[in-house]
Amino acid sequence: KNEVEQSPQNLTAQEGEFITINCSYSVGISALHWLQQHPGGGIVSLFMLSSGKKKHGRLIATINIQEKHSSLHITASHPRDSAVYICASSRGSYYGNNRLAFGKGNQVVVIP
Amino acid sequence: EPEVTQTPSHQVTQMGQEVILRCVPISNHLYFYWYRQILGQKVEFLVSFYNNEISEKSEIFDDQFSVERPDGSNFTLKIRSTKLEDSAMYFCASRRSDGTFYNEQFFGPGTRLTVL
Repeated sequence: KNEVEQSPQNLTAQEGEFITINCSYSVGISALHWLQQHPGGGIVSLFMLSSGKKKHGRLIATINIQEKHSSLHITASHPRDSAVYICASSRGSYYGNNRLAFGKGNQVVVIP
Repeated sequence: EPEVTQTPSHQVTQMGQEVILRCVPISNHLYFYWYRQILGQKVEFLVSFYNNEISEKSEIFDDQFSVERPDGSNFTLKIRSTKLEDSAMYFCASRRSDGTFYNEQFFGPGTRLTVL
């Protein structure tokens, strides 16, 4: 069973600060997903990565396959970054269904 | 930009009643999923659907649950006799298939189901 753990559970930062949240998983995966969930509940996919690093705007996601660990970094944080960030892993086979296993999420609050 | 849509956004029902949650996946996607999130808990996988049949289901997805793709666009989740513990946000997701498993899933906005 693939367990996904995230830390810290809650994080408060001042606007402009660099934020790092972490995710570790227990078994080999095909891809690691970072998702964002706003207070209304909707889920938005931010990144999907299987190796290395990806960058989108002020967000950077990295993954270390050997250590089964991924990080999401937010540079120059802004109050609109306040959300729950969810890490999820997938273990699909080549044509497999690719179900996601989710972590509990990191609640990030950015104070102006 | 194409998106997954779900209706209704909020459904209130009495315990024991049947509910149908509806989803319209992105049109060229071939894999469909239902997930749920009980308030304050993590998102959980319910079922995946491909080629008009269930490809995998979790232990949560018991005989009270069923899924259907009644036409070329809709994907539905039916709960036959709702229980209080079925109260949750239900998310539909879809992904395309292009011969690789490195495809992201696109989520709908969710249906909040409240069972009284």
